[in-house]
Amino acid sequence: DSGVTQTPKHLITATGQRVTLRCSPRSGDLSVYWYQQSLDQGLQFLIQYYNGEERAKGNILERFSAQQFPDLHSELNLSSLELGDSALYFCASSGGGNEQFFGPGTRLTVL
Amino acid sequence: SQQGEEDPQALSIQEGENATMNCSYKTSINNLQWYRQNSGRGLVHLILIRSNEREKHSGRLRVTLDTSKKSSSLLITASRAADTASYFCATDALGGATNKLIFGTGTLLAVQP
Repeated sequence: DSGVTQTPKHLITATGQRVTLRCSPRSGDLSVYWYQQSLDQGLQFLIQYYNGEERAKGNILERFSAQQFPDLHSELNLSSLELGDSALYFCASSGGGNEQFFGPGTRLTVL
Repeated sequence: SQQGEEDPQALSIQEGENATMNCSYKTSINNLQWYRQNSGRGLVHLILIRSNEREKHSGRLRVTLDTSKKSSSLLITASRAADTASYFCATDALGGATNKLIFGTGTLLAVQP
């Protein structure tokens, strides 16, 4: 158990809908990272937050947004969902070291 | 794409044999890390090697890094069935205030009992 929690574990929704994925980092970790894992794109970095502020952006679509709250949990919002958004979404946290601790992921299926 | 590449894509060995996976990357790095992922689950950090290191050991794991060739290898010795998983290298690019990781394409290792 990495100490990072993600909810929900599974999410099935329809095209055009909006969903919110939630992540709670390890206690004390200020950095939260979001990654997407799909069969065709592999593991892709989406976005990083550090202590509530956006630190870095990767291959994140404009339809996706994220935020980190004062209690350090983070949410990833995916809107106008398309079939191609079906993937595993991982959250990771770190406490200043280089190692990242990954949550179990949310499997999103868009029908 | 910045994504690194790993080879082989898939590797099948017998228990007790050694497994070697290779990773190539594209940019200058601070460090390179290896992660393991059991089927559809979260990634588990295995080992980190810094750009000024050439070799590192952790238990049955041995990692090498050649920054001139932008490549790394992961050796798992005396493999066990429980080592069956996907293995990813991930690089932490040099510069910037972020530690975002760029992952390789992964090697699927199957260890037959």
